[in-house]
Amino acid sequence: AQTVTQSQPEMSVQEAETVTLSCTYDTSESDYYLFWYKQPPSRQMILVIRQEAYKQQNATENRFSVNFQKAAKSFSLKISDSQLGDAAMYFCAYRSARGNSGGSNYKLTFGKGTLLTVNP
Amino acid sequence: NAGVTQTPKFQVLKTGQSMTLQCAQDMNHNSMYWYRQDPGMGLRLIYYSASEGTTDKGEVPNGYNVSRLNKREFSLRLESAAPSQTSVYFCASSEARIRGETQYFGPGTRLLVL
Repeated sequence: AQTVTQSQPEMSVQEAETVTLSCTYDTSESDYYLFWYKQPPSRQMILVIRQEAYKQQNATENRFSVNFQKAAKSFSLKISDSQLGDAAMYFCAYRSARGNSGGSNYKLTFGKGTLLTVNP
Repeated sequence: NAGVTQTPKFQVLKTGQSMTLQCAQDMNHNSMYWYRQDPGMGLRLIYYSASEGTTDKGEVPNGYNVSRLNKREFSLRLESAAPSQTSVYFCASSEARIRGETQYFGPGTRLLVL
């Protein structure tokens, strides 16, 4: 079974600075997807960024980028120019690219989350 | 286009009571999911439905049942609520036939079992 580990329960950053959130995962598969979701106080789960394991290029989305190290099974999220609105719980998630017996389960396995505080 | 909607937003139950959490999506997705979120545990999959007419157990299915009513709706039922089922419940959907598809989440239902 796959596992996702976020070793930093809490992080803080000054507004306009850069912060990196860590995520490691364990899998025997070679084809999979990795995600970062953001959960603000409203509790809505919002997709931040997605990485496909077969792509060597790191995904970027505006101020958000990842450092994907497949051999090390590491998937960190970098937030540049941090804003007050970035304050939230961030979850790393893994999904296999293989279905289940021809089906399409594609369930997500989540880490326990990192609470990010942005200081003005 | 509302995305994924869930009702109710908040519910208080007494131990032994039953209730159904409703979820609907208007994105024409084939797959739908129910997760629960507990403090310090992240999200864990309860049940999922790969397509209309099919349902399967996830990591923590005990004490729950689901119904995929049609392509749009996927309900989660607690037959006899227990305090251990106090949690925040999220429904999600995705178009699983598309490689690389993303799961989109509803706003969550906060359930308190006394």
